[in-house]
Amino acid sequence: GNSVTQMEGPVTLSEEAFLTINCTYTATGYPSLFWYVQYPGEGLQLLLKATKADDKGSNKGFEATYRKETTSFHLEKGSVQVSDSAVYFCALSDFKGSNYKLTFGKGTLLTVNP
Amino acid sequence: GAVVSQHPSWVICKSGTSVKIECRSLDFQATTMFWYRQFPKQSLMLMATSNEGSKATYEQGVEKDKFLINHASLTLSTLTVTSAHPEDSSFYICSARDQAEPSYEQYFGPGTRLTVT
Repeated sequence: GNSVTQMEGPVTLSEEAFLTINCTYTATGYPSLFWYVQYPGEGLQLLLKATKADDKGSNKGFEATYRKETTSFHLEKGSVQVSDSAVYFCALSDFKGSNYKLTFGKGTLLTVNP
Repeated sequence: GAVVSQHPSWVICKSGTSVKIECRSLDFQATTMFWYRQFPKQSLMLMATSNEGSKATYEQGVEKDKFLINHASLTLSTLTVTSAHPEDSSFYICSARDQAEPSYEQYFGPGTRLTVT
């Protein structure tokens, strides 16, 4: 079956530091890949996505590239801010039956200190 | 943007009782809603997929008689945990797909913390 493995946290960085959160996946088909972010007390929000190999998703300074050869979708940001403190989930979507289903990684807690 | 609400945000109930959790799409119609369960430091696990007006499709290992799902309208789905036990204590999250969008994006609610004593 499908699975997503992302680096375990927590990750603690200083403001303006470079961020990488690793994510690798296992899937039988050609999934779409996502990063979701969950701010304290809020629901999950889609951060970025990529639907095919070599696609780069980007949003709010975050980027991730769909690498089929390494089955990876690592999240990066060049300069983090305190407001980026949140839990980040890597996920893949595959079509099964009549619906797309999401498979999530365990989540990585990021704390950015001023 | 698309907003999904859940009610209650947290609930404490006694073992053996039932508790209902509501999931509402506030500004769009949701043909399909999803229910997830999240344990501490664990990923979200899909429990079931509900389509408006039809029976929910449960994931393997999820007891459909224990976790009753109703999706009677395009803006409301409910999850009822029947005869709750302490092992049912968890964080329950719903999501919804906007039927007007051709994409497969899911919009998530803020979650409901259930504690069974």
